[in-house]
Amino acid sequence: TQLLEQSPQFLSIQEGENLTVYCNSSSVFSSLQWYRQEPGEGPVLLVTVVTGGEVKKLKRLTFQFGDARKDSSLHITAAQPGDTGLYLCAGLTGANNLFFGTGTRLTVIP
Amino acid sequence: DAGVIQSPRHEVTEMGQEVTLRCKPISGHNSLFWYRQTMMRGLELLIYFNNNVPIDDSGMPEDRFSAKMPNASFSTLKIQPSEPRDSAVYFCASSYRFTEAFFGQGTRLTVV
Repeated sequence: TQLLEQSPQFLSIQEGENLTVYCNSSSVFSSLQWYRQEPGEGPVLLVTVVTGGEVKKLKRLTFQFGDARKDSSLHITAAQPGDTGLYLCAGLTGANNLFFGTGTRLTVIP
Repeated sequence: DAGVIQSPRHEVTEMGQEVTLRCKPISGHNSLFWYRQTMMRGLELLIYFNNNVPIDDSGMPEDRFSAKMPNASFSTLKIQPSEPRDSAVYFCASSYRFTEAFFGQGTRLTVV
């Protein structure tokens, strides 16, 4: 099993604040995906990063893949209550296994 | 396409009984994953299939768990006999060439 540790595990912030979620591993991945999961639903893909050092932006969300392709971060600017959910990173190995991180549960308070 | 379809949505069973979870992947997808999600352990990969062939089942907890994919449009995950510690939400996901994984809504299993 490829271990992806996410931090923090829980995060509660006020609307309008900025935050960063981290995803770390000792393993190298061919790509790194970020998902968001709502209660009672399955995870839904937000973005995929493939190249070491790659940065992708999705409105107020900025995703970065580490240079060594072992870690990633998700930065949210001016968080909104609609951003509330469970954020999961997932690493795709060379053997095409898709392993998920431990998750960060975000609550944005209006 | 209706997306990945799992059934049942909820299952309550007694310890020792056999449980079968079902999944219909998105048409045209060639990879299928089974995951188990709990608060303690997060989302764990149990097994994945590529072109209907099991590629890696190292995540299957023990011999009580088995999974099959008889064709490209159907897969099952069976637990026999079930135990209370198997209680979790079980997700099936499919993808095309390991790009985006599309998840079903999950089966919430409770073993009493």
